[in-house]
Amino acid sequence: SQQGEEDPQALSIQEGENATMNCSYKTSINNLQWYRQNSGRGLVHLILIRSNEREKHSGRLRVTLDTSKKSSSLLITASRAADTASYFCATAAVGGSRLTFGEGTQLTVNP
Amino acid sequence: DTEVTQTPKHLVMGMTNKKSLKCEQHMGHRAMYWYKQKAKKPPELMFVYSYEKLSINESVPSRFSPECPNSSLLNLHLHALQPEDSALYLCASSGSRLADRTSTDTQYFGPGTRLTVL
Repeated sequence: SQQGEEDPQALSIQEGENATMNCSYKTSINNLQWYRQNSGRGLVHLILIRSNEREKHSGRLRVTLDTSKKSSSLLITASRAADTASYFCATAAVGGSRLTFGEGTQLTVNP
Repeated sequence: DTEVTQTPKHLVMGMTNKKSLKCEQHMGHRAMYWYKQKAKKPPELMFVYSYEKLSINESVPSRFSPECPNSSLLNLHLHALQPEDSALYLCASSGSRLADRTSTDTQYFGPGTRLTVL
């Protein structure tokens, strides 16, 4: 079954608000990654967090990882209309040789 | 240069046609991938090349034939496709020359080829 499941499936907020997306997974991982995809285009890597890390920041992005709960969250602060996109988590399982993508969260930021 | 390029951007083909998708990267990455993505779905892995050798084939039908002519290029040859093969085809690469890890590292994606099979 799919390694990563994301929640919510869709999120609609106003500009300036924060957006939080969650990802849960089933097996032990080496790392977890977040990607953004604008409509019909390629994926853009946002951030990678390793299994021995608990939190990482990159600009307006904050990612947390709780390996005991097998979950991660992506927080986008002070959202902008340009943040409108699909966001996918992807996990690299221990002993695995590929990334497995979650179903994604569609974020809409209204101006 | 952190770019992965893909050509063509759009492709419309009939079920009897033969066409090829092309992907190129100049980041020195040692792993390259083909993914298929349907609307509102995550990318599905099709093939992985590691050090120019096919390392993963996710039971993809033989009407899709990958080729890696050199470490910078990846092709996907298409023949006798079905309408359900219409999708966005994404190429990605990962893994620097210095790193031992490849396919579980950060992946850099191209913009994709939007394929329509009539």
